[in-house]
Amino acid sequence: DAGVTQSPTHLIKTRGQHVTLRCSPISGHKSVSWYQQVLGQGPQFIFQYYEKEERGRGNFPDRFSARQFPNYSSELNVNALLLGDSALYLCASSAAPYTGELFFGEGSRLTVL
Amino acid sequence: DAKTTQPTSMDCAEGRAANLPCNHSTISGNEYVYWYRQIHSQGPQYIIHGLKNNETNEMASLIITEDRKSSTLILPHATLRDTAVYYCIAPEAGYSTLTFGKGTMLLVSP
Repeated sequence: DAGVTQSPTHLIKTRGQHVTLRCSPISGHKSVSWYQQVLGQGPQFIFQYYEKEERGRGNFPDRFSARQFPNYSSELNVNALLLGDSALYLCASSAAPYTGELFFGEGSRLTVL
Repeated sequence: DAKTTQPTSMDCAEGRAANLPCNHSTISGNEYVYWYRQIHSQGPQYIIHGLKNNETNEMASLIITEDRKSSTLILPHATLRDTAVYYCIAPEAGYSTLTFGKGTMLLVSP
């Protein structure tokens, strides 16, 4: 079975631009979470979606938004990019919204110039 | 989430057991302890979790003290591929939001 897949794997943007990152969960998983990992730090929670509803939001500005589609895939959108948004963006899926057993993808590495 | 404390780094010889400690003195009675690891440039990988009893799977063993204030992740026969950052996490019960600290950098050497 395929694991969590994310696209693109790498991308470069300039300040002020917009980016969309995509995630496909493990088949059968209905919960998707997004994390940001800046260099040298542990991943930081951004959003969780379950059954297309937002279930949790971390301490991130409104420039960050996400959604989940009927097939449980998800998109993370970041507007008005800042240099500080450069990071590895990780998507994780789980079978249920209340379990700490998450399955992470390999991430999308975003560089903002 | 309950606060967890881990050593910054540890070394282990290949083939020996790696014992990674974690303190979680403020953990609530219904909060599980989860362990993840992150190999360089990869996404975190779930290893094991437990509540009260010791747990074992194909990757590792988890020993939780009786008072639940600390735990130890044991890799019985460490290999070079086990070199990674290991995270101990105690998420709030009923939620899957993980709060990652800095973890323990385990270096397995030949």
